[in-house]
Amino acid sequence: DAGVIQSPRHEVTEMGQEVTLRCKPISGHNSLFWYRQTMMRGLELLIYFNNNVPIDDSGMPEDRFSAKMPNASFSTLKIQPSEPRDSAVYFCASSQSQGPQYFGPGTRLTVL
Amino acid sequence: DAKTTQPPSMDCAEGRAANLPCNHSTISGNEYVYWYRQIHSQGPQYIIHGLKNNETNEMASLIITEDRKSSTLILPHATLRDTAVYYCIVRVGHNTNAGKSTFGDGTTLTVKP
Repeated sequence: DAGVIQSPRHEVTEMGQEVTLRCKPISGHNSLFWYRQTMMRGLELLIYFNNNVPIDDSGMPEDRFSAKMPNASFSTLKIQPSEPRDSAVYFCASSQSQGPQYFGPGTRLTVL
Repeated sequence: DAKTTQPPSMDCAEGRAANLPCNHSTISGNEYVYWYRQIHSQGPQYIIHGLKNNETNEMASLIITEDRKSSTLILPHATLRDTAVYYCIVRVGHNTNAGKSTFGDGTTLTVKP
C-alpha cells in the first residue's frame, strides 16, 4: 500500500489567495483526519470524517477553512482567503474504524 | 480524553534500550494508550498501542502499569534513526479533543553514538 498521499508537498502563496490541500487516504480506511502543526501550537486536530461524513470540525480555526470528503478515497482542505498566520505543515491521516492513525507526509504551506 | 505527561527530552546511547515514560493518571477504563513518533519534518508514525496488557511488536514494547496510570515505551536497541519526538496519547477510538494540542509536546529522544 502506498500509504496516505498528500499533495502538494509544498505550497507557497500570497495572502488573500485560495489554497487547496489534497489527501488520498489508505484504501479501506473509513476515517480521515486533518491536522495542522506549528512550532507555537504543536500538532492540532482540525477536523475528522467517518465514512465521508464530518464528525467534529470544532478544531477548524475560522470560516476561512473548509474541508470536504466527496468519496472514500479523496478529501480536500481549503483556505480562502489565506493569511500569513496559516503558514504551517498540514497533515492528513487515516484509520480503519477506531484503530491507529496513519499519517501522510504533510503539505508545507507558506503564505506570504 | 485523558491528558498525558511526558519528560521534554531524553538521551540514550546507541545500542542501549530507550525507556520513555508517560503518565496518564486520569485515564478512563475504555481509553487506549497510543504511542507515535515524529522524525524531523516527517508525518507522525504509529508505533504501538494497548489497553491494559503489555504489548510488543517489531518496533517496540509497551508496558502499562496495573493501575493504568502510567506506561513505558521501550525501544530495545536504539539506533541513531530512532532520534525523534515521541508522543504518548490516550483516547477512546477517535480523538474527541478537537481544537486543542492533540498530541501534546512529547519527548524528544536523542540517540547518541
